[in-house]
Amino acid sequence: AQSVTQLGSHVSVSEGALVLLRCNYSSSVPPYLFWYVQYPNQGLQLLLKYTSAATLVKGINGFEAEFKKSETSFHLTKPSAHMSDAAEYFCAVTPGNSGNTPLVFGKGTRLSVIA
Amino acid sequence: EAQVTQNPRYLITVTGKKLTVTCSQNMNHEYMSWYRQDPGLGLRQIYYSMNVEVTDKGDVPEGYKVSRKEKRNFPLILESPSPNQTSLYFCASSLRRSDEQFFGPGTRLTVL
Repeated sequence: AQSVTQLGSHVSVSEGALVLLRCNYSSSVPPYLFWYVQYPNQGLQLLLKYTSAATLVKGINGFEAEFKKSETSFHLTKPSAHMSDAAEYFCAVTPGNSGNTPLVFGKGTRLSVIA
Repeated sequence: EAQVTQNPRYLITVTGKKLTVTCSQNMNHEYMSWYRQDPGLGLRQIYYSMNVEVTDKGDVPEGYKVSRKEKRNFPLILESPSPNQTSLYFCASSLRRSDEQFFGPGTRLTVL
């Protein structure tokens, strides 16, 4: 079975500082991995996804994530935080090309950006 | 515009009064699903559908029903709502199960 652990339910950074949101996964087969962002009072939208191509994945709004199989991690980073990055972020995993297993989401990390 | 729509966006109801939350997508996606979002618990899948007339339970299906009679629509039915079903509900769709999921704007449900 797949699972996702997001370390830290709340992360606070200063504007201009590095953003690092942690995601570790468990999967018995090579996974597909996703990061989604949820702005207040909105649905989720995709930031980026890993589907077994390049291990460093670039997404929208300057975010990127690196797939590290040895560490079973898919951490999300952004070099310089902006006030508009304040939102909730969700990591998700699914087995790549495998049956009917649904997407499994982490519990989310709320990012606050301090001026 | 490619989108997933949900109605209603907000609903306050009473225990036991049947309700339906509609979900529709205009992207010809085969895969659709329903999630509920609760503080500290993240997103949990209720039901999903791989195609028309094919539905299956997710992690928390108790107290919910779904149907998929047409490709574009995937309504969520609460036959007898209870207060523990007070939550924020999201419908999502994708071309295939492993693809990016497109989410609706959410339905905030309160059951008194």
